[in-house]
Amino acid sequence: DAGVTQSPTHLIKTRGQQVTLRCSPKSGHDTVSWYQQALGQGPQFIFQYYEEEERQRGNFPDRFSGHQFPNYSSELNVNALLLGDSALYLCASSLGTNIQYFGAGTRLSVL
Amino acid sequence: GNSVTQMEGPVTLSEEAFLTINCTYTATGYPSLFWYVQYPGEGLQLLLKATKADDKGSNKGFEATYRKETTSFHLEKGSVQVSDSAVYFCALGQGGSEKLVFGKGMKLTVNP
Repeated sequence: DAGVTQSPTHLIKTRGQQVTLRCSPKSGHDTVSWYQQALGQGPQFIFQYYEEEERQRGNFPDRFSGHQFPNYSSELNVNALLLGDSALYLCASSLGTNIQYFGAGTRLSVL
Repeated sequence: GNSVTQMEGPVTLSEEAFLTINCTYTATGYPSLFWYVQYPGEGLQLLLKATKADDKGSNKGFEATYRKETTSFHLEKGSVQVSDSAVYFCALGQGGSEKLVFGKGMKLTVNP
């Protein structure tokens, strides 16, 4: 049984560019949450998707957007990248509870 | 809003030492409480959880008890191993599928 998988593992972008990160949830899970983890900090909630709709959103600007597909996989898009967007982006999946299973993350570096 | 405050490190211990990592929370109602562990270069793994007051979560020799009266969920292990070296995060969640709120994490290094 595959767990949560994220791609790519590492990414380097320059300021102003756009990036798309991908996540496949654990088999059977229908809810996907995205978190940003800055170096030396705890993860911060970005948003959560359920039934292809954004259900909750954290305190992140509109440059951060997402999508969930009918197969429950999800994308995180960030436009107009800033240096401060450099972080580990974590995807987590769940099914009807707040017990979330995390992927290994995508390390984004913005130069 | 909800928040989690946890003991910050880094902390270095010798193998077989006793470990306590303090965690307190602020929340309305009755949140679920979690400890996650992050090994170098990896994502977060759920270590243990407790969903109501006085519940004790345990896993791999780690334990934490949900104390509503002190709003705490301290993590303990009686004898740490080198393989326990990691970053430990305390977190809370409310509702069926609510977001998780994390503390800042504590880096633990265990030396042989």
